[in-house]
Amino acid sequence: EPEVTQTPSHQVTQMGQEVILRCVPISNHLYFYWYRQILGQKVEFLVSFYNNEISEKSEIFDDQFSVERPDGSNFTLKIRSTKLEDSAMYFCASSFDRGSSPLHFGNGTRLTVT
Amino acid sequence: AQKITQTQPGMFVQEKEAVTLDCTYDTSDPSYGLFWYKQPSSGEMIFLIYQGSYDQQNATEGRYSLNFQKARKSANLVISASQLGDSAMYFCAMRGGTSYGKLTFGQGTILTVHP
Repeated sequence: EPEVTQTPSHQVTQMGQEVILRCVPISNHLYFYWYRQILGQKVEFLVSFYNNEISEKSEIFDDQFSVERPDGSNFTLKIRSTKLEDSAMYFCASSFDRGSSPLHFGNGTRLTVT
Repeated sequence: AQKITQTQPGMFVQEKEAVTLDCTYDTSDPSYGLFWYKQPSSGEMIFLIYQGSYDQQNATEGRYSLNFQKARKSANLVISASQLGDSAMYFCAMRGGTSYGKLTFGQGTILTVHP
């Protein structure tokens, strides 16, 4: 069964550094998402992406965050200048439509900011 | 705006018994979908079951069924014949008809299955 893949599985970075989290969504999916989950807590929406542009974003997704789909297969999340509070598990997800199709999640990237 | 509430932080069940995980929601969208996900300790998010707001029948997928009560705005997950492998965090989530596909998640319920 096709799956969403995320790399790396774990990233450690210093405060103030830029990080790029990478995702390869399922190939025939049209909607792409980033979520984050601070340890054991609620899964929080960051951004959705459709037709090569951001379709919706949350308050968390401020100017420090950006997303890109550079080549038609990869989907990246960039954090420009990381803060300690950015430490979390970041999940990429994709779906075929915005109706009954579920989001398929990757296994996540655990980001640790020191 | 959508809101999902899971009021049970933790639930315990004996192996082979059934368990119900509660989920209530609030939305102004006339059309919406409700989803349940399982998150084992390994961290991945596994889709379990979907219920559309206009579906006449409660959704079922194997040992999972959804007790959908639209007037009460509840969408409880029922797991029958619990197995040790069902021990995990369970999230209820909603997609509104006017959203661009995002899911809004509840706080989650940790289910522990005892042998």
